[in-house]
Amino acid sequence: EIVLTQSPGTLSLSPGERATLSCRASQSVSSSYVAWYQQKPGQAPRLLIDGAFSRATGIPDRFSGSGSGTDFTLTISRLEPEDFAVYYCHQYGSSSSWTFGQGTKVEIK
Amino acid sequence: QVQLQESGPGLVKPSQTLSLTCTVSGGSISSGDYYWSWIRQPPGKGLEWIGYIYYSGSTYYNLSLKSRVTISVDTSKNQFSLKLSSLTAADTAVYYCARGDGERSAFDIWGQGTMVTVSS
Repeated sequence: EIVLTQSPGTLSLSPGERATLSCRASQSVSSSYVAWYQQKPGQAPRLLIDGAFSRATGIPDRFSGSGSGTDFTLTISRLEPEDFAVYYCHQYGSSSSWTFGQGTKVEIK
Repeated sequence: QVQLQESGPGLVKPSQTLSLTCTVSGGSISSGDYYWSWIRQPPGKGLEWIGYIYYSGSTYYNLSLKSRVTISVDTSKNQFSLKLSSLTAADTAVYYCARGDGERSAFDIWGQGTMVTVSS
Protein backbone atom coordinates (compact mmCIF):
# COMPACT_ATOMS: atom_id res chain seq x y z
CA GLU A 1 0.00 0.00 0.00
CA ILE A 2 1.27 3.48 -0.85
CA VAL A 3 1.35 5.68 2.25
CA LEU A 4 0.82 9.41 1.73
CA THR A 5 2.31 11.73 4.36
CA GLN A 6 1.09 15.31 4.41
CA SER A 7 2.93 18.21 6.00
CA PRO A 8 2.55 20.29 7.94
CA GLY A 9 -0.26 18.93 10.04
CA THR A 10 -1.54 22.44 10.66
CA LEU A 11 -0.77 25.65 8.80
CA SER A 12 -1.60 28.94 10.55
CA LEU A 13 -1.86 31.79 8.08
CA SER A 14 -3.68 35.05 7.52
CA PRO A 15 -6.05 35.89 4.66
CA GLY A 16 -4.08 37.06 1.64
CA GLU A 17 -1.06 34.90 2.47
CA ARG A 18 0.27 32.03 0.35
CA ALA A 19 -0.27 28.44 1.51
CA THR A 20 2.00 25.59 0.46
CA LEU A 21 0.88 22.07 1.37
CA SER A 22 3.06 19.01 0.85
CA CYS A 23 2.18 15.40 0.15
CA ARG A 24 4.92 12.77 0.09
CA ALA A 25 4.34 9.21 -1.14
CA SER A 26 6.12 6.12 0.18
CA GLN A 27 6.75 5.06 -3.43
CA SER A 28 6.50 6.71 -6.79
CA VAL A 29 3.03 7.60 -8.06
CA SER A 30 2.19 8.61 -11.58
CA SER A 31 1.24 12.27 -11.48
CA SER A 32 -1.76 11.38 -13.56
CA TYR A 33 -3.23 9.74 -10.48
CA VAL A 34 -2.88 12.32 -7.71
CA ALA A 35 -5.73 14.52 -6.51
CA TRP A 36 -6.37 17.12 -3.82
CA TYR A 37 -9.60 17.72 -1.90
CA GLN A 38 -10.88 20.42 0.44
CA GLN A 39 -13.11 19.50 3.37
CA LYS A 40 -14.97 21.86 5.66
CA PRO A 41 -16.58 20.78 8.97
CA GLY A 42 -19.71 18.71 8.49
CA GLN A 43 -19.28 18.58 4.71
CA ALA A 44 -18.13 16.03 2.20
CA PRO A 45 -14.76 16.58 0.57
CA ARG A 46 -14.68 18.66 -2.61
CA LEU A 47 -12.36 17.86 -5.50
CA LEU A 48 -9.89 20.68 -6.19
CA ILE A 49 -7.12 19.20 -8.31
CA ASP A 50 -7.06 16.08 -10.48
CA GLY A 51 -4.11 14.52 -12.29
CA ALA A 52 -1.75 16.48 -9.99
CA PHE A 53 -2.16 19.71 -12.00
CA SER A 54 -5.67 20.10 -13.38
CA ARG A 55 -8.21 22.21 -11.54
CA ALA A 56 -11.64 20.64 -11.22
CA THR A 57 -14.67 22.41 -12.64
CA GLY A 58 -15.40 25.69 -10.90
CA ILE A 59 -12.21 25.77 -8.82
CA PRO A 60 -10.61 29.26 -8.68
CA ASP A 61 -7.19 29.71 -10.23
CA ARG A 62 -5.62 30.61 -6.88
CA PHE A 63 -5.46 26.83 -6.34
CA SER A 64 -2.66 25.04 -8.18
CA GLY A 65 -1.06 21.62 -8.01
CA SER A 66 2.42 20.47 -8.90
CA GLY A 67 4.87 17.65 -8.35
CA SER A 68 5.96 14.26 -9.60
CA GLY A 69 7.30 10.94 -8.40
CA THR A 70 6.93 10.96 -4.64
CA ASP A 71 6.50 14.69 -3.92
CA PHE A 72 3.38 16.67 -4.66
CA THR A 73 2.30 20.17 -3.65
CA LEU A 74 -0.93 22.12 -3.41
CA THR A 75 -0.48 25.88 -3.47
CA ILE A 76 -3.12 28.47 -2.61
CA SER A 77 -1.70 31.72 -3.93
CA ARG A 78 -3.70 34.13 -1.76
CA LEU A 79 -5.91 32.74 0.98
CA GLU A 80 -9.53 33.82 0.99
CA PRO A 81 -11.67 33.46 4.15
CA GLU A 82 -13.49 30.47 2.63
CA ASP A 83 -10.20 28.58 2.07
CA PHE A 84 -9.65 27.79 5.74
CA ALA A 85 -10.36 24.07 5.85
CA VAL A 86 -8.69 20.65 5.84
CA TYR A 87 -6.95 19.47 2.66
CA TYR A 88 -6.30 15.87 1.64
CA CYS A 89 -4.12 14.41 -1.07
CA HIS A 90 -5.18 11.16 -2.73
CA GLN A 91 -3.46 8.64 -4.98
CA TYR A 92 -5.41 6.32 -7.24
CA GLY A 93 -2.60 4.90 -9.33
CA SER A 94 -1.71 1.91 -7.19
CA SER A 95 -2.76 -1.49 -8.43
CA SER A 96 -3.39 -2.56 -4.82
CA SER A 97 -5.37 0.06 -2.92
CA TRP A 98 -6.07 3.76 -3.29
CA THR A 99 -5.06 5.90 -0.34
CA PHE A 100 -5.41 9.36 1.16
CA GLY A 101 -3.03 11.47 3.19
CA GLN A 102 -3.92 12.24 6.79
CA GLY A 103 -4.79 15.85 5.99
CA THR A 104 -3.42 19.36 6.51
CA LYS A 105 -5.55 21.86 8.40
CA VAL A 106 -5.25 25.46 7.20
CA GLU A 107 -6.35 27.69 10.05
CA ILE A 108 -6.66 31.42 10.53
CA LYS A 109 -3.68 32.91 12.34
CA GLN B 1 -26.77 17.69 -12.17
CA VAL B 2 -25.87 14.31 -10.71
CA GLN B 3 -26.41 13.95 -6.98
CA LEU B 4 -25.67 11.07 -4.62
CA GLN B 5 -27.53 10.23 -1.42
CA GLU B 6 -26.55 7.61 1.15
CA SER B 7 -29.12 5.78 3.25
CA GLY B 8 -29.00 3.14 5.94
CA PRO B 9 -29.04 2.55 9.69
CA GLY B 10 -27.22 4.93 11.98
CA LEU B 11 -26.54 2.32 14.65
CA VAL B 12 -25.36 -1.25 14.18
CA LYS B 13 -24.28 -3.84 16.74
CA PRO B 14 -20.79 -5.34 16.87
CA SER B 15 -20.32 -8.52 14.81
CA GLN B 16 -23.31 -7.62 12.61
CA THR B 17 -23.29 -6.61 8.94
CA LEU B 18 -23.70 -3.00 7.83
CA SER B 19 -25.83 -2.35 4.74
CA LEU B 20 -25.83 1.05 3.05
CA THR B 21 -27.33 2.22 -0.23
CA CYS B 22 -26.36 5.12 -2.45
CA THR B 23 -29.07 6.50 -4.75
CA VAL B 24 -27.93 8.32 -7.87
CA SER B 25 -30.20 11.09 -9.16
CA GLY B 26 -29.91 13.45 -12.11
CA GLY B 27 -28.23 10.87 -14.30
CA SER B 28 -28.03 7.16 -15.03
CA ILE B 29 -25.67 4.94 -13.09
CA SER B 30 -25.14 3.04 -16.35
CA SER B 31 -24.16 5.97 -18.53
CA GLY B 32 -20.66 7.11 -19.25
CA ASP B 33 -17.46 5.65 -17.95
CA TYR B 34 -18.26 6.17 -14.28
CA TYR B 35 -17.09 4.12 -11.34
CA TRP B 36 -19.00 4.27 -8.07
CA SER B 37 -17.10 4.18 -4.79
CA TRP B 38 -17.58 3.97 -1.06
CA ILE B 39 -15.26 5.95 1.22
CA ARG B 40 -15.37 6.31 5.00
CA GLN B 41 -14.06 8.73 7.61
CA PRO B 42 -13.86 7.87 11.33
CA PRO B 43 -14.72 10.79 13.61
CA GLY B 44 -11.91 13.34 13.64
CA LYS B 45 -9.77 11.25 11.30
CA GLY B 46 -8.86 10.99 7.64
CA LEU B 47 -10.43 9.30 4.64
CA GLU B 48 -10.29 5.61 3.72
CA TRP B 49 -11.34 4.28 0.31
CA ILE B 50 -13.39 1.07 0.62
CA GLY B 51 -13.94 0.03 -2.99
CA TYR B 52 -15.75 0.71 -6.24
CA ILE B 53 -18.19 -0.87 -8.66
CA TYR B 54 -18.88 -0.37 -12.36
CA TYR B 55 -22.46 -0.61 -13.63
CA SER B 56 -21.60 -3.98 -15.19
CA GLY B 57 -20.94 -5.33 -11.70
CA SER B 58 -17.16 -5.46 -11.78
CA THR B 59 -15.61 -4.44 -8.46
CA TYR B 60 -12.30 -3.45 -6.92
CA TYR B 61 -11.77 -3.40 -3.16
CA ASN B 62 -9.30 -2.01 -0.66
CA LEU B 63 -7.13 -5.00 0.18
CA SER B 64 -7.31 -4.28 3.90
CA LEU B 65 -11.11 -4.59 3.88
CA LYS B 66 -11.61 -7.03 1.02
CA SER B 67 -12.52 -10.03 3.19
CA ARG B 68 -15.44 -8.13 4.77
CA VAL B 69 -16.73 -5.98 1.90
CA THR B 70 -19.28 -6.55 -0.83
CA ILE B 71 -20.37 -3.76 -3.20
CA SER B 72 -23.28 -4.40 -5.55
CA VAL B 73 -25.28 -2.41 -8.10
CA ASP B 74 -28.97 -2.26 -9.04
CA THR B 75 -29.20 -0.41 -12.34
CA SER B 76 -33.01 -0.62 -12.37
CA LYS B 77 -33.12 1.46 -9.20
CA ASN B 78 -30.08 3.59 -10.07
CA GLN B 79 -28.46 2.51 -6.82
CA PHE B 80 -25.34 0.83 -5.56
CA SER B 81 -24.83 -0.70 -2.14
CA LEU B 82 -22.23 -1.56 0.45
CA LYS B 83 -22.19 -4.51 2.83
CA LEU B 84 -19.52 -4.62 5.53
CA SER B 85 -19.49 -7.66 7.79
CA SER B 86 -18.05 -8.54 11.21
CA LEU B 87 -18.33 -5.01 12.48
CA THR B 88 -16.29 -3.63 15.36
CA ALA B 89 -16.12 -0.19 16.97
CA ALA B 90 -13.30 0.64 14.55
CA ASP B 91 -15.87 0.67 11.74
CA THR B 92 -17.65 3.65 13.30
CA ALA B 93 -17.40 6.39 10.69
CA VAL B 94 -19.14 8.69 8.26
CA TYR B 95 -19.67 6.66 5.09
CA TYR B 96 -19.65 8.49 1.77
CA CYS B 97 -20.55 7.35 -1.70
CA ALA B 98 -18.77 9.07 -4.57
CA ARG B 99 -18.36 9.03 -8.34
CA GLY B 100 -15.18 8.60 -10.29
CA ASP B 101 -15.03 9.62 -13.95
CA GLY B 102 -13.02 6.67 -15.25
CA GLU B 103 -11.59 3.46 -13.80
CA ARG B 104 -8.69 5.33 -12.24
CA SER B 105 -9.97 8.75 -11.37
CA ALA B 106 -10.49 11.18 -8.57
CA PHE B 107 -13.89 11.51 -6.93
CA ASP B 108 -15.68 14.43 -8.54
CA ILE B 109 -19.12 14.05 -6.95
CA TRP B 110 -19.79 13.01 -3.35
CA GLY B 111 -22.84 12.25 -1.30
CA GLN B 112 -23.37 14.19 1.92
CA GLY B 113 -22.34 11.16 4.01
CA THR B 114 -24.11 9.11 6.63
CA MET B 115 -22.85 8.51 10.16
CA VAL B 116 -22.71 4.89 11.27
CA THR B 117 -22.01 3.98 14.88
CA VAL B 118 -21.08 0.43 15.87
CA SER B 119 -22.14 -0.13 19.45
CA SER B 120 -24.10 -2.60 21.52
